[in-house]
Amino acid sequence: QKEVEQNSGPLSVPEGAIASLNCTYSDRGSQSFFWYRQYSGKSPELIMSIYSNGDKEDGRFTAQLNKASQYVSLLIRDSQPSDSATYLCAVNMFSGGYNKLIFGAGTRLAVHP
Amino acid sequence: GAVVSQHPSWVICKSGTSVKIECRSLDFQATTMFWYRQFPKQSLMLMATSNEGSKATYEQGVEKDKFLINHASLTLSTLTVTSAHPEDSSFYICSASDWLAGAHEQYFGPGTRLTVT
Repeated sequence: QKEVEQNSGPLSVPEGAIASLNCTYSDRGSQSFFWYRQYSGKSPELIMSIYSNGDKEDGRFTAQLNKASQYVSLLIRDSQPSDSATYLCAVNMFSGGYNKLIFGAGTRLAVHP
Repeated sequence: GAVVSQHPSWVICKSGTSVKIECRSLDFQATTMFWYRQFPKQSLMLMATSNEGSKATYEQGVEKDKFLINHASLTLSTLTVTSAHPEDSSFYICSASDWLAGAHEQYFGPGTRLTVT
């Protein structure tokens, strides 16, 4: 079992719709969770962090965390073509004596006009 | 805030030579820096973690004598690819965190595209 799992996609949504991206993780002790956006050929950009169960909203983005189910999601409202990118879920894990982020393989989102 | 720079943004070198990549945190103190490698259409692969003033911790399968990491200050880490070969051609990305401040977010530099001919 992979430590952080995401559906690779592509997830295709029409402009203006809600895009829903999901992620599951294996380490029950993880406390910090992040969503990064990566455009093709570019480095990842942090868009959301979440630490507590429930929802966290920032503009068009909402991160949802359910530690009991080991599940974290990202909702993008009013999706725009500029949101087309790969979205990486990252989970902080304590391994080998230090903290590090474990990344999922990413979900490719395509927003079509 | 939380800006990380990398230099150079791209580099072409001949097989057998060494290449140094710099990673700088511009507006915060990076107690921990990370080096990743990403091949086309693949996810990020963590190569090593470095804390300021101490030796880097390398991930399994990453040759520490080939990928030399130095984290000399709270704002600068360097990765040197020694005796580079074509299979080392990749997108190298650094990230930085301020663990001591309790922040687990990692902020990424723009990346360095290395091509070894």
